Amino acid sequence: DAGVIQSPRHEVTEMGQEVTLRCKPISGHNSLFWYRQTMMRGLELLIYFNNNVPIDDSGMPEDRFSAKMPNASFSTLKIQPSEPRDSAVYFCASSLEGTSGYREQYFGPGTRLTVT
Amino acid sequence: GNSVTQMEGPVTLSEEAFLTINCTYTATGYPSLFWYVQYPGEGLQLLLKATKADDKGSNKGFEATYRKETTSFHLEKGSVQVSDSAVYFCALSVSGGSYIPTFGRGTSLIVHP
Repeated sequence: DAGVIQSPRHEVTEMGQEVTLRCKPISGHNSLFWYRQTMMRGLELLIYFNNNVPIDDSGMPEDRFSAKMPNASFSTLKIQPSEPRDSAVYFCASSLEGTSGYREQYFGPGTRLTVT
Repeated sequence: GNSVTQMEGPVTLSEEAFLTINCTYTATGYPSLFWYVQYPGEGLQLLLKATKADDKGSNKGFEATYRKETTSFHLEKGSVQVSDSAVYFCALSVSGGSYIPTFGRGTSLIVHP
């Protein structure tokens, strides 16, 4: 399996521009997570999808952030307009939720976003 | 609610030294416990896990034992290598509860030759 795929790996943009991050989860996984990682705040969960439905978006910072999962193999995280404080590494992770009682997550390599 | 507390880093060791990274947790149900590792420039990856009390997870020379009585899951390695330099995250998820895992803040390990 190719693992979780994220694109782009690096993104540099100017303040006010729209940014779209993409994620392809592992085939067969039914849950997808978007995280943001910074030195100051550590790893933060932004949003969680189960079976393509957003279940918990309480971590989304504000209305500038939106996420979609149109099908089981693709998700996007959009920031519009972007601000310098959005600079971070954004991770996508997927897992297979079931009755096993534990939920191991598989992380993508991340997208390093720099907003100037 | 659920929470995970890890020792603050960085932890700095010489090669072949013994490693312990402490992790304690609180959980509203019966959790499964995990250690994830993040190498520089990469995403987190599962290092080891334990799903019930007294289980020992192990991988790549690392070990951690699920201690229900002390609500702990400390990570240990007998002899660290420079290549073990990374950030280590303790995490839990609760069976039957929210599917959202709870992560600790991470502990940076630096191993010098």
